[in-house]
Amino acid sequence: EDQVTQSPEALRLQEGESSSLNCSYTVSGLRGLFWYRQDPGKGPEFLFTLYSAGEEKEKERLKATLTKKESFLHITAPKPEDSATYLCAVQASFKSGGSNYKLTFGKGTLLTVNP
Amino acid sequence: KAGVTQTPRYLIKTRGQQVTLSCSPISGHRSVSWYQQTPGQGLQFLFEYFSETQRNKGNFPGRFSGRQFSNSRSEMNVSTLELGDSALYLCASSPGPSTYEQYFGPGTRLTVT
Repeated sequence: EDQVTQSPEALRLQEGESSSLNCSYTVSGLRGLFWYRQDPGKGPEFLFTLYSAGEEKEKERLKATLTKKESFLHITAPKPEDSATYLCAVQASFKSGGSNYKLTFGKGTLLTVNP
Repeated sequence: KAGVTQTPRYLIKTRGQQVTLSCSPISGHRSVSWYQQTPGQGLQFLFEYFSETQRNKGNFPGRFSGRQFSNSRSEMNVSTLELGDSALYLCASSPGPSTYEQYFGPGTRLTVT
């Protein structure tokens, strides 16, 4: 069964204090790994897609990296507006070799950035 | 471009009742997926529709059903509501089936009493 584990569950940072969030996964037939940001009372907002080990994507203060077993979301010099829950999801086949894919989400990391 | 819209945003129902939630995808998107989000289980996949056909289904009981219309709008229905069905129900749209990137709506908060 596909599994996605995010750590830590919660992270509290001071403004400007860089850190990383982890997403480890166990899936067969990985098609892609996604990072989303979710603010309270809202739906997840798409951030990045990573397709293969070694790939990196950047957006403002966020940088996502991917290995064969995990992904990291690095946050450089965070600001209070970066406070949110960050969700990781993996896309894999329903059946081995099949063309139907499903997204399996981790439970997220709640990031709080204090001014 | 307008984003994914979901109605209603909030709903309170009683155990045993049924409920219908609606989702309008981004213009041009033909695939709609539904998810249930709870504090304990996180985001769980319910089902995906493309061209009015259900392509994939998650591990939920038959009380959960859905459909998609020719204009790509989708509805999901939950019959015989249980207390455990209280959750945030999210709809996501993408251009095609099992497309890499999904764009989520704001969700419908369902409370079952």
